[in-house]
Amino acid sequence: RKEVEQDPGPFNVPEGATVAFNCTYSNSASQSFFWYRQDCRKEPKLLMSVYSSGNEDGRFTAQLNRASQYISLLIRDSKLSDSATYLCVVNSGDGQNFVFGPGTRLSVLP
Amino acid sequence: EAGVAQSPRYKIIEKRQSVAFWCNPISGHATLYWYQQILGQGPKLLIQFQNNGVVDDSQLPKDRFSAERLKGVDSTLKIQPAKLEDSAVYLCASSLRDRGPPSYGYTFGSGTRLTVV
Repeated sequence: RKEVEQDPGPFNVPEGATVAFNCTYSNSASQSFFWYRQDCRKEPKLLMSVYSSGNEDGRFTAQLNRASQYISLLIRDSKLSDSATYLCVVNSGDGQNFVFGPGTRLSVLP
Repeated sequence: EAGVAQSPRYKIIEKRQSVAFWCNPISGHATLYWYQQILGQGPKLLIQFQNNGVVDDSQLPKDRFSAERLKGVDSTLKIQPAKLEDSAVYLCASSLRDRGPPSYGYTFGSGTRLTVV
């Protein structure tokens, strides 16, 4: 089993839609969780951290379920500019570095 | 604050040639990471430095890849000889903490896109 797995995608949604991405991780000792966004031919950039209590940043909501080792990202009222690949990131069990998932590609269509 | 600088942005080489990439981390950052990102995949850690020492190089193909960070600042990643499957984007990142990634994530450089033909 891979350390971090994500919905394979791609997701093609109309503007204004709500879309959710799922991510599972295998290492129960992981403590830090993030969502990164990567635009085509650009470097990944931090979108948001994921806290145990769940957190929201505008149209974006992240949730963590430690028991199920599951992370989610919800995007409401999708914009064309949300089109990108979304990477789930989990710190390794020894806390020394991050492990990236394969990413889920989102295309928001007019 | 200046970001993580990488060069070159693009490189095309023939298989079996050598290539080197350079990274200048954010000033004062003790930890530096090199990641490889193959098209359609997430970044994969190649090597992690703390100052000028190696913390983790377990996924570095040491028969052909080497990296150094001699003065604990700039770093160079080298591939010799290159193979077709080395075609990827090589990303550098740095963090202030002396061990492990920061709780707020870290910042990547813009990467070097390598094409091996």
